[in-house]
Amino acid sequence: AQSVTQPDIHITVSEGASLELRCNYSYGATPYLFWYVQSPGQGLQLLLKYFSGDTLVQGIKGFEAEFKRSQSSFNLRKPSVHWSDAAEYFCAVGYRDDKIIFGKGTRLHILP
Amino acid sequence: NAGVTQTPKFQVLKTGQSMTLQCAQDMNHNSMYWYRQDPGMGLRLIYYSASEGTTDKGEVPNGYNVSRLNKREFSLRLESAAPSQTSVYFCASSDVLETQYFGPGTRLLVL
Repeated sequence: AQSVTQPDIHITVSEGASLELRCNYSYGATPYLFWYVQSPGQGLQLLLKYFSGDTLVQGIKGFEAEFKRSQSSFNLRKPSVHWSDAAEYFCAVGYRDDKIIFGKGTRLHILP
Repeated sequence: NAGVTQTPKFQVLKTGQSMTLQCAQDMNHNSMYWYRQDPGMGLRLIYYSASEGTTDKGEVPNGYNVSRLNKREFSLRLESAAPSQTSVYFCASSDVLETQYFGPGTRLLVL
């Protein structure tokens, strides 16, 4: 079955510290991979996406993600977080039938 | 460009009532989607439409129907609302497997 797993429901990091949010998917072929961010009371905004090519993808707001086929993972990273990064982050996977499935999300808290 | 618009923004229903959530996009996208968002559950796909005239079930289609009226509009109908359908509903559109653009959401409370 197609699925997307974000193992961490909540993550807390100090401002200025590095960040890694985990995402794993199940799919037979290489899927289309996305990371979205949602601020409280808002809709979702795309951070970055991977379709093919270079497995390290740069996105907006200083985020990057790395696709690792052997681990079926697409983890999101940022070298130094800012208080404004506090939000909920969603990994999503697109399949050949145009369906896009989201993970349950990881809520990021930032300590001053 | 308005992007993706949804109406209404808020709605309160009684159990058994029906309603239609409206969604429209002005980006000429082929694909449109309806999701519901519940705490701790992320976004769950209800229905999607890969092109005008086609619709397909997502993860949680029971209790819902959809209509892809034309390329711009994709409506979601609750025929007989239940408290379990209390949620925030998001419509999204995209070109095939490209970036999804989301509407502002509809908050629905079913009493």
